[in-house]
Amino acid sequence: DARVTQTPRHKVTEMGQEVTMRCQPILGHNTVFWYRQTMMQGLELLAYFRNRAPLDDSGMPKDRFSAEMPDATLATLKIQPSEPRDSAVYFCASGLGGHSNQPQHFGDGTRLSIL
Amino acid sequence: AQRVTQPEKLLSVFKGAPVELKCNYSYSGSPELFWYVQYSRQRLQLLLRHISRESIKGFTADLNKGETSFHLKKPFAQEEDSAMYYCALGTYTGTASKLTFGTGTRLQVTL
Repeated sequence: DARVTQTPRHKVTEMGQEVTMRCQPILGHNTVFWYRQTMMQGLELLAYFRNRAPLDDSGMPKDRFSAEMPDATLATLKIQPSEPRDSAVYFCASGLGGHSNQPQHFGDGTRLSIL
Repeated sequence: AQRVTQPEKLLSVFKGAPVELKCNYSYSGSPELFWYVQYSRQRLQLLLRHISRESIKGFTADLNKGETSFHLKKPFAQEEDSAMYYCALGTYTGTASKLTFGTGTRLQVTL
């Protein structure tokens, strides 16, 4: 059963520190999404890629967040410097992306706490 | 622009009672609808999609284009159904597909 893999599962750090979250999409999936989930805002789309090219990162605070896909098996989401309001669960999802009826497959998430 | 509305934040039902989780959408194109389920502190999992017309774990959902709805139903709720449920609308931008999620409904099944 192929799965999206995210690391780390949990991260606790102090404000001002750099945070890097990693995602390995399902082999063969060419579209990767980053979401943030909080109690207040629910599920928010931060950015997404197709064939490693960024398509839309309008949901992401540009001054401190960055998302990249250095290769087809790795997507990263970085926060520098981190702030307490960044505390959330960050999910990565992947899909085939070629049609609107394609589902997304989610990873287990990274639970981030900024002190 | 597309939009998904789930009017109920919390739905509490007794075990054995029928369940209906509401979802309405707004989209000018041909809609592709999904339901995802998230059990406590776990990942979102695809529950069902309208194109498959399937029943998963006893849940069904019918797309009603006239009412722009895709409500999730189950005739008899079980305790293990307690979870967060998200309705999502799939769209294709010309370069990639993406999902627009509703705000979710927490289903609580009590004895």
